[in-house]
Amino acid sequence: GENVEQHPSTLSVQEGDSAVIKCTYSDSASNYFPWYKQELGKGPQLIIDIRSNVGEKKDQRIAVTLNKTAKHFSLHITETQPEDSAVYFCAATRSGYSTLTFGKGTMLLVSP
Amino acid sequence: DAGITQSPRHKVTETGTPVTLRCHQTENHRYMYWYRQDPGHGLRLIHYSYGVKDTDKGEVSDGYSVSRSKTEDFLLTLESATSSQTSVYFCAISGEGADTEAFFGQGTRLTVV
Repeated sequence: GENVEQHPSTLSVQEGDSAVIKCTYSDSASNYFPWYKQELGKGPQLIIDIRSNVGEKKDQRIAVTLNKTAKHFSLHITETQPEDSAVYFCAATRSGYSTLTFGKGTMLLVSP
Repeated sequence: DAGITQSPRHKVTETGTPVTLRCHQTENHRYMYWYRQDPGHGLRLIHYSYGVKDTDKGEVSDGYSVSRSKTEDFLLTLESATSSQTSVYFCAISGEGADTEAFFGQGTRLTVV
């Protein structure tokens, strides 16, 4: 089955800096890669996703890049703000599958 | 927010007692999932359902059972709770499978003493 590794497990940055979280996956057939953000006391929420037919996707201050050859994808957050502080999860699956495989999560702390 | 409600939100129970957690959705989504979240382990899938009375096991299904008799309700049962099942449990729903957006509930914090 699929295995997703996520690094780092914790990340501390100053407000205004950029943050990068990296994930690798094992199943070369995986073609859907979402990122979820979990704020304290809440359930995870989708913030951005990418499919294998594109290499990069942006939405305002967040972007995701995908390298299919190396089987890794990354979340980039620019101009970080304190409200970006949360746990971020990457995940992977393939079309037609019923389940997602999640990474173990990254706790991002943005200090004012 | 997607219409998904978990109950109870908090529960303390004793070892050996049965416990049932409920997930209720108003979105008419086909897929429903139960995850547990523990420090250092992220989100791990317990069981999932792809339709009424259609369920399957996830990676950490031992000690858990599920039932889905209606589209809107997905129940997770711990037949005989153990301390290792102390965790935060999340229900999630999605319309067309894993490669579409999943919506999560607020979670249930279960403590087994």
